[in-house]
Amino acid sequence: GNSVTQMEGPVTLSEEAFLTINCTYTATGYPSLFWYVQYPGEGLQLLLKATKADDKGSNKGFEATYRKETTSFHLEKGSVQVSDSAVYFCALKRDTGRRALTFGSGTRLQVQP
Amino acid sequence: GAGVSQSPSNKVTEKGKDVELRCDPISGHTALYWYRQSLGQGLEFLIYFQGNSAPDKSGLPSDRFSAERTGGSVSTLTIQRTQQEDSAVYLCASSLESGSLSYEQYFGPGTRLTVT
Repeated sequence: GNSVTQMEGPVTLSEEAFLTINCTYTATGYPSLFWYVQYPGEGLQLLLKATKADDKGSNKGFEATYRKETTSFHLEKGSVQVSDSAVYFCALKRDTGRRALTFGSGTRLQVQP
Repeated sequence: GAGVSQSPSNKVTEKGKDVELRCDPISGHTALYWYRQSLGQGLEFLIYFQGNSAPDKSGLPSDRFSAERTGGSVSTLTIQRTQQEDSAVYLCASSLESGSLSYEQYFGPGTRLTVT
């Protein structure tokens, strides 16, 4: 079946540090890939997405590239801010059949000033 | 426009009681999803409604869980004879759906259910 594996957190960084959160997936076909973010006390928000191999999703300084050869969709940001502190979820959506999202376990990011 | 809304925001119930959770999707969105977010299980899919098609109930954890969507809009998730392991945040999401891979799912703020 489909699954998403994320690096376990929490990840603690100083402001302006480089961020990588690893995400790998298992899926048949050609799924779409997503990163969602959940800020403290708020609901899930889409951060970025990619729908086919080699696509790069980007938003708010975050980037992730859909790598089919390594089945990965790692999230990166060159310089994190305190306001980036949140829980980040990697997710996939199948290209056929059920369109519900399959989520990773989430990675908590804490950025210290 | 308004986003996805859910009610109540918090619900505390005694073990064995029934609860109903409500979701109002974004107007015009044909697809509606229920997910559950719990400490032990992460974010897991429960049920999916798409237009007039039969719902996909493959994620419901037991027959105590059911959901309906009236008039293609509002949805109610019902949990009968609640158990402590049902304690979680129940999230609703809606999206446009027409076979495209990339339509975003918009999430509501969730209902935090606590079973005592």
